[in-house]
Amino acid sequence: DAGITQSPRHKVTETGTPVTLRCHQTENHRYMYWYRQDPGHGLRLIHYSYGVKDTDKGEVSDGYSVSRSKTEDFLLTLESATSSQTSVYFCAISEVGQGLYNEQFFGPGTRLTVL
Amino acid sequence: DQQVKQNSPSLSVQEGRISILNCDYTNSMFDYFLWYKKYPAEGPTFLISISSIKDKNEDGRFTVFLNKSAKHLSLHIVPSQPGDSAVYFCAASLYSGAGSYQLTFGKGTKLSVIP
Repeated sequence: DAGITQSPRHKVTETGTPVTLRCHQTENHRYMYWYRQDPGHGLRLIHYSYGVKDTDKGEVSDGYSVSRSKTEDFLLTLESATSSQTSVYFCAISEVGQGLYNEQFFGPGTRLTVL
Repeated sequence: DQQVKQNSPSLSVQEGRISILNCDYTNSMFDYFLWYKKYPAEGPTFLISISSIKDKNEDGRFTVFLNKSAKHLSLHIVPSQPGDSAVYFCAASLYSGAGSYQLTFGKGTKLSVIP
């Protein structure tokens, strides 16, 4: 399994509070992604990073920001959590070359509940 | 507008028989297609992929077929085993710049293999 950890694994918070989720990888992959999974929607891309300090928006980026100050860490921040952001969040990594093309490898997920 | 569609939310198959999971897409620019398997409370696991220039890729019990003219792909599992019971996501890849590829996921099909 790819070395990807997410913290926390579970979090319950209240509407209006800031929340930061962390993704940590030990694979030295260049690309990192944040997705959310909701019933009836599959996985949807929130933000992604193509290098340290290089990030871009995905399909559902409103209400989220990201930062990547080191290759191994990718942070997802909800500045002011809302109930619609209750979801399961997955981090993924990928690399090109070394026998890989564009397969993404996923972390175990963080279940976030916003009350 | 859904670019990747998995029209069957669920599928039940007898152990030992063939499981066929289907996926349709609309964007002819997708260059790679992937299947992921997901167990409850875990992250998605990469299963098998196929380039848009091929029509078949096989890995053990898993075979993916691609019909570009119909914009359709399918995953065949033969023989099906109880451990294959999971949610299967179809994903399509598109180059997004800076060497990065974005994946667009279908909503998933829940496969149940009955012993």
